[in-house]
Amino acid sequence: SQTIHQWPATLVQPVGSPLSLECTVEGTSNPNLYWYRQAAGRGLQLLFYSVGIGQISSEVPQNLSASRPQDRQFILSSKKLLLSDSGFYLCAWSGDDPYGYTFGSGTRLTVV
Amino acid sequence: GEDVEQSLFLSVREGDSSVINCTYTDSSSTYLYWYKQEPGAGLQLLTYIFSNMDMKQDQRLTVLLNKKDKHLSLRIADTQTGDSAIYFCAESRDSNYQLIWGAGTKLIIKP
Repeated sequence: SQTIHQWPATLVQPVGSPLSLECTVEGTSNPNLYWYRQAAGRGLQLLFYSVGIGQISSEVPQNLSASRPQDRQFILSSKKLLLSDSGFYLCAWSGDDPYGYTFGSGTRLTVV
Repeated sequence: GEDVEQSLFLSVREGDSSVINCTYTDSSSTYLYWYKQEPGAGLQLLTYIFSNMDMKQDQRLTVLLNKKDKHLSLRIADTQTGDSAIYFCAESRDSNYQLIWGAGTKLIIKP
């Protein structure tokens, strides 16, 4: 069966520090991968998605970047965090099928 | 405005039925989805419906789709405290099945 792992669960980082959040998927090949941000427990903002290794689409210009170094690995990064980067970050994967997305458990990022 | 719209909050009494509504704008939507997010957790797929269906039932959950009015609803029968969550409506349109999300409806259960 397919599983998705996202870590860490919580993170407190000072302003100006770097960020690396990792997401890995097991049990499937060539998944579509997504990074979302959710502010204050409300709507989902799509940050990046990837349909293959090295293929990254950015939905919102900002202080973050994403990389997909391996088929089932998706990394969200920042060189210098801003206070406004605080939020709940969710990774998800989907296949080329109508069965929807499967989400990771999320990372609560607090920038102080 | 958003392509998928939902009310932000719904408050119901424990044991009553909850009906969460969603409207969408694109008539080419192929599949429509309901997700549940409990506090501090990721989203969990509850159910989905193909656009040529009118209704889908799964235990306490009933999904109704009015394609003419582009209206989707999720009915939860005998609402329990464990149903407290944010419920997201989503639609897929293209061959890649990428999802367009509503802002989520927070379901509040009153004792």
